[in-house]
Amino acid sequence: DTAVSQTPKYLVTQMGNDKSIKCEQNLGHDTMYWYKQDSKKFLKIMFSYNNKELIINETVPNRFSPKSPDKAHLNLHINSLELGDSAVYFCASSQGRVVETQYFGPGTRLLVL
Amino acid sequence: AQSVTQLGSHVSVSEGALVLLRCNYSSSVPPYLFWYVQYPNQGLQLLLKYTSAATLVKGINGFEAEFKKSETSFHLTKPSAHMSDAAEYFCAVSPRSGTGRRALTFGSGTRLQVQP
Repeated sequence: DTAVSQTPKYLVTQMGNDKSIKCEQNLGHDTMYWYKQDSKKFLKIMFSYNNKELIINETVPNRFSPKSPDKAHLNLHINSLELGDSAVYFCASSQGRVVETQYFGPGTRLLVL
Repeated sequence: AQSVTQLGSHVSVSEGALVLLRCNYSSSVPPYLFWYVQYPNQGLQLLLKYTSAATLVKGINGFEAEFKKSETSFHLTKPSAHMSDAAEYFCAVSPRSGTGRRALTFGSGTRLQVQP
């Protein structure tokens, strides 16, 4: 059973389009995250939700909007895609307040042409 | 603010040789520390974590790391490299506080190559 899943795995699209990436976790965790990995493999937090509440919102363009319909899902919608949005986007989840091991999904490779 | 520095973006070792990947952190309070591995075209997998119990932490696949407060380091080692260890390795920190920011802050990663 996949713990953290993302769809789609690959996404190729044109500049200016709007796209969504979905994430689901079946671990029963209360916190979910979106990370962006750029072409140099650098990973950076974008957003974090705890029990459907936004708790981390880094300096990310307003074109990026996370949505959490329930604790098990965190989707990422991107408007007006730009070339610089090309990256791998990872969803992760964690549970607990003491030591928060984060479990990562397989990633969504976004290529904007 | 916390930060992580990984010395060496690329490390190459021979099969059977010692693996040493370096990680130094900067934090006013010793944070929780993690090592993750990323195989090509895959997500990140936890290797091990330091939570303030034993300073020598053993992880999966024969890896271990030692927390040294005096050196603000958390270097990853493996006595004998295997070809399957070739991957990207990330050191990460997380604050100890139970509320607020919980996200991981990652280092820039170290690519490990294992030569036959």
